[in-house]
Amino acid sequence: DVKVTQSSRYLVKRTGEKVFLECVQDMDHENMFWYRQDPGLGLRLIYFSYDVKMKEKGDIPEGYSVSREKKERFSLILESASTNQTSMYLCASSLGGGHRELFFGEGSRLTVL
Amino acid sequence: AQTVTQSQPEMSVQEAETVTLSCTYDTSENNYYLFWYKQPPSRQMILVIRQEAYKQQNATENRFSVNFQKAAKSFSLKISDSQLGDTAMYFCAFMKHNNAGNMLTFGGGTRLMVKP
Repeated sequence: DVKVTQSSRYLVKRTGEKVFLECVQDMDHENMFWYRQDPGLGLRLIYFSYDVKMKEKGDIPEGYSVSREKKERFSLILESASTNQTSMYLCASSLGGGHRELFFGEGSRLTVL
Repeated sequence: AQTVTQSQPEMSVQEAETVTLSCTYDTSENNYYLFWYKQPPSRQMILVIRQEAYKQQNATENRFSVNFQKAAKSFSLKISDSQLGDTAMYFCAFMKHNNAGNMLTFGGGTRLMVKP
């Protein structure tokens, strides 16, 4: 089974802190994604990566950055956390090419005080 | 840009009955994929069913089936013989056909509760 592991299920941070959310997948997938999930808004794409060191902005990249130094790991960085970044963050991965299914992690619930 | 709309924020159904979740989308693309994902409480999201727009036949997966109306841009999910384990958030999602990055556009979700 594909496993996508997010390092923290729950985090509480203070405004202005730097936050790292880590995601690791074990199936050699080319594509990795960070989504933000908010009630009524569904999932919105923050960033995605289709290869090591490659990244593309999604729909809501402002206030976020990402890093993909190794194929299996994709990190989401909040340089200076703000209260409006309180949310559930979901990481996902998929094979490239014609494979269309995304595999998700369990999510990281971030609260910024 | 594509948009996906789920007009039912919450639904409930009695165990063993049938329920239909609605989804509409807006796109100028002719070829694309549509998905329903399920997110159980405190568990990871999983794929329920997938439909390719160029296929006229509606997809089915055991108790789950879709009603795909391309002209109406409608993609509803029918769950037959509902089980307690079907309680979850359900998300409808859209993917362009020529999308090497496999990016999904999601609807707002429908929270389904199956009652005993």
